[in-house]
Amino acid sequence: NAGVMQNPRHLVRRRGQEARLRCSPMKGHSHVYWYRQLPEEGLKFMVYLQKENIIDESGMPKERFSAEFPKEGPSILRIQQVVRGDSAAYFCASSQAARGTDTQYFGPGTRLTVL
Amino acid sequence: QKEVEQNSGPLSVPEGAIASLNCTYSDRVSQSFFWYRQYSGKSPELIMSIYSNGDKEDGRFTAQLNKASQYVSLLIRDSQPSDSATYLCAVTSGSARQLTFGSGTQLTVLP
Repeated sequence: NAGVMQNPRHLVRRRGQEARLRCSPMKGHSHVYWYRQLPEEGLKFMVYLQKENIIDESGMPKERFSAEFPKEGPSILRIQQVVRGDSAAYFCASSQAARGTDTQYFGPGTRLTVL
Repeated sequence: QKEVEQNSGPLSVPEGAIASLNCTYSDRVSQSFFWYRQYSGKSPELIMSIYSNGDKEDGRFTAQLNKASQYVSLLIRDSQPSDSATYLCAVTSGSARQLTFGSGTQLTVLP
């Protein structure tokens, strides 16, 4: 039962380094969403992608953050020049289609710690 | 700005009791409503979805939606200690496909 997969599960970076977070959607799903959960805060939407397209990046910080979902391979959330405030749990979710009623299934998350 | 509001709790109920979790939303064009459960250090897990006014039951869980009042609730009957978690209310609105989450209600079921 291949659910949404994320790796790494834990990632430690020093300030100024780059972080790459990977997400493989559930089998048969072609829509990927990234959310961030800061310590003691709720989940916040970052970006929504389909294969080779960014559909909505309204929740993504304008600088240092980028996302892609190539034709082959996982979706990648990239954070350049990380700062301590980037420390959070990053969750990926996938859905089969993009209707508002479609359920989004979450992966286990990547917990990023910036030293 | 679209907002989803939940009482942060903590909410404590004795084992076997009914737990009632509430959520209000500000965007009148909100169309789909979801309840997720999140254990500490884990990812959100879908409990219920509801799209039309009224009640929807699934086992011990009942979701209630009142679009006129912009209110959605989750009832957990016969609460068990394993139900202790943070419950997240989430909404999709209009043409947007992303989920807007409330801050969550922390539930503790006391044995």
